[in-house]
Amino acid sequence: EAQVTQNPRYLITVTGKKLTVTCSQNMNHEYMSWYRQDPGLGLRQIYYSMNVEVTDKGDVPEGYKVSRKEKRNFPLILESPSPNQTSLYFCASSFRSRRGGREQFFGPGTRLTVL
Amino acid sequence: AQSVTQLDSQVPVFEEAPVELRCNYSSSVSVYLFWYVQYPNQGLQLLLKYLSGSTLVKGINGFEAEFNKSQTSFHLRKPSVHISDTAEYFCAVSVPDSGGYNKLIFGAGTRLAVHP
Repeated sequence: EAQVTQNPRYLITVTGKKLTVTCSQNMNHEYMSWYRQDPGLGLRQIYYSMNVEVTDKGDVPEGYKVSRKEKRNFPLILESPSPNQTSLYFCASSFRSRRGGREQFFGPGTRLTVL
Repeated sequence: AQSVTQLDSQVPVFEEAPVELRCNYSSSVSVYLFWYVQYPNQGLQLLLKYLSGSTLVKGINGFEAEFNKSQTSFHLRKPSVHISDTAEYFCAVSVPDSGGYNKLIFGAGTRLAVHP
């Protein structure tokens, strides 16, 4: 089954304790992205990757890191989480297209609470 | 800069009634438009998309949307809703650039609540 998986689905942590949220896709997509969803703000892009070893900042990158060492995986790293990073996080992937307009496939989400 | 405005944060409606969820966008270039749906405790899934051609786009679960370039709108409609349509709906715009990727810019979402 074609899918994007994320782990963990739920995480409660404390300020300053490093954490990693994993994301994996099995569709051979070049493009992967992380979003955070906050009430009244919709989804905002944190980081994205156009291919292996190619990553760039999205609209809200502060406090996050990513890596893309393999095509299928795109982990999100919070080196020192703070309460304002409490949010619902989504990973997404798609094929690249010079014309744009490619559907993005989303993971089930990770609900993070930072105390 | 591109942006998406969903004009209603919440839309309550009775079962079997018609519904329209409104979306306006701003962009200085040609756009591709999407509607995604998020059911409770799930990720987003694509309802429909407009890339080119006919301005009336049909999607899954009986939804359709009409692209109106002059009004920069892409409103989502369904003639008769079911309880199972209760979800949050996101309008998004994708703008291609020379880098070859499709960045999605989302609206804030509209929560559709269908009542019996």
